[in-house]
Amino acid sequence: GQQLNQSPQSMFIQEGEDVSMNCTSSSIFNTWLWYKQEPGEGPVLLIALYKAGELTSNGRLTAQFGITRKDSFLNISASIPSDVGIYFCAGQLRNQGAQKLVFGQGTRLTINP
Amino acid sequence: DVKVTQSSRYLVKRTGEKVFLECVQDMDHENMFWYRQDPGLGLRLIYFSYDVKMKEKGDIPEGYSVSREKKERFSLILESASTNQTSMYLCASSGQGYEQYFGPGTRLTVT
Repeated sequence: GQQLNQSPQSMFIQEGEDVSMNCTSSSIFNTWLWYKQEPGEGPVLLIALYKAGELTSNGRLTAQFGITRKDSFLNISASIPSDVGIYFCAGQLRNQGAQKLVFGQGTRLTINP
Repeated sequence: DVKVTQSSRYLVKRTGEKVFLECVQDMDHENMFWYRQDPGLGLRLIYFSYDVKMKEKGDIPEGYSVSREKKERFSLILESASTNQTSMYLCASSGQGYEQYFGPGTRLTVT
């Protein structure tokens, strides 16, 4: 099925650094969602975006819905050890009638204290 | 808060066994989903349901079936488990919006 291109696949950073990741597609999306998954757990919804150009924050996390509606970005500022996990983007395609989402492959974040 | 629960966190079954994975949500959501998650392959949709007794195939329905007899409960059935069905299984639900809320997952091992 349709896939989102999420990058980078993995990141190794120092505590306190800022993090950026993104998802791109050749298709247009109506909704973008960002999830975090910790080891052995299910994904947890972090941020939902509904309009092109929208910028939304959740604490140290900021996400943006790209102007073209084909991409989205997630930034984490001043990373801390509990930010470790896999971050997934997910989108709802413009022409998708059902409530299905398309998921990116995930960005694995590792933080050195 | 939305709560999605799954019947088991870890499950070990033998090849050929019939396996039931159950999911319950407490937010009166219309839509429920079953995914499997494998390293390098991301989340893949197995089946979803948009109403009681209604179901639609996802991207990888082969070897699976589902049942939704009550709005809050969505079951995934492996009719005859095989080793290639060893995976992490995730259930999710959504209401009027597109935000899906996930359960904690069931890690199934088929030996």
